Amino acid sequence: ETGVTQTPRHLVMGMTNKKSLKCEQHLGHNAMYWYKQSAKKPLELMFVYSLEERVENNSVPSRFSPECPNSSHLFLHLHTLQPEDSALYLCASSQDQLNSPLHFGNGTRLTVT
Amino acid sequence: AQTVTQSQPEMSVQEAETVTLSCTYDTSESDYYLFWYKQPPSRQMILVIRQEAYKQQNATENRFSVNFQKAAKSFSLKISDSQLGDAAMYFCAYRSPFTGNQFYFGTGTSLTVIP
Repeated sequence: ETGVTQTPRHLVMGMTNKKSLKCEQHLGHNAMYWYKQSAKKPLELMFVYSLEERVENNSVPSRFSPECPNSSHLFLHLHTLQPEDSALYLCASSQDQLNSPLHFGNGTRLTVT
Repeated sequence: AQTVTQSQPEMSVQEAETVTLSCTYDTSESDYYLFWYKQPPSRQMILVIRQEAYKQQNATENRFSVNFQKAAKSFSLKISDSQLGDAAMYFCAYRSPFTGNQFYFGTGTSLTVIP
């Protein structure tokens, strides 16, 4: 299997639940990203990991907690979310060089009830 | 921070015709990369085309080409011979050499292809 794989594809969770989103890349890239995509808004960068170290955290609330155990895997742990956190969460990877584009997964559609 | 603006929330094109999607960006940097991504209903963002700021020649990929106007900070995407499969959201993105891993995206243009 190649590319970037995200699971689950859909997730419905209550505000008191704890869940995790998983991302795996098979492209040999050294940087991984979490983006939040909401309607009518630009993609919001949440977290960036480069060589398994977090290099970017765009003021994301602490109810979102990333984890990057190795260069191929990225998790987003979710707890006590709010309804406004409902969105499409996209994982991406790239090489840490200027001409390298992002390669995206299919996303997880999250609904918080 | 750099900003990327896509002023056309929605566009439509007749099948087999040509359409141009606009993108402008704001930067003080001289070298950077620009990208166009396509997001069909399947949700996966797919790279369409990329352009390096130092290259004067406009990038082309089959039916997709760009009109890169560096002085005007404009990076439009032209789709020739439009096909039904081109219907999607299109996003313009900017990558800076100074913020390394940061990509800046526009709000997207929804393209409808009319049979």
